Amino acid sequence: GAVVSQHPSRVICKSGTSVKIECRSLDFQATTMFWYRQFPKQSLMLMATSNEGSKATYEQGVEKDKFLINHASLTLSTLTVTSAHPEDSSFYICSASGRTNEKLFFGSGTQLSVL
Amino acid sequence: GQQLNQSPQSMFIQEGEDVSMNCTSSSIFNTWLWYKQDPGEGPVLLIALYKAGELTSNGRLTAQFGITRKDSFLNISASIPSDVGIYFCAGRMGFGNEKLTFGTGTRLTIIP
Repeated sequence: GAVVSQHPSRVICKSGTSVKIECRSLDFQATTMFWYRQFPKQSLMLMATSNEGSKATYEQGVEKDKFLINHASLTLSTLTVTSAHPEDSSFYICSASGRTNEKLFFGSGTQLSVL
Repeated sequence: GQQLNQSPQSMFIQEGEDVSMNCTSSSIFNTWLWYKQDPGEGPVLLIALYKAGELTSNGRLTAQFGITRKDSFLNISASIPSDVGIYFCAGRMGFGNEKLTFGTGTRLTIIP
């Protein structure tokens, strides 16, 4: 299957700092990327959908100014958690699909811990 | 956000047993996907279903897209220790790259 690389896998930061998470599609062009958040023992909750070259569409309740998404190329999307607080601590997962590929492939996730 | 109803929530079985889990929705979905997630990892795609009634196998795994398009099930035959993990169903109402709605997950534990 297609490969989606997510980096970093784990990050610990101080409250008030910003953290950037990268998601890359390694062997296909990802026209659409999705960002999910997952709390312990819960399912994946969609945060936003981004299409290459356009602004991301955020789900209800997700602050777009806090979770900045950039999808500037067909192989890279980034999620920046701005002014992170302890309640932002979670497992963040990206996923990507191509132009004609209806399957969705996931990155390996980023565990964010805000102290 | 919306979630699909997935059952059972957890299962404790012995190695070699068969496993069955299902996912139901009040809405019609045009695509069903089944994923497995290990701790600290992203979900890995197991099976994708695109047509109502479709029955698809991947090794010891078999999944079906319900005729009503409102449900799907996943069976695992002759379970082995590496089957341990959390299984999620996911559905897509539209086509193409539209977003997925995820099930609540089934945690599979194998008793030694």
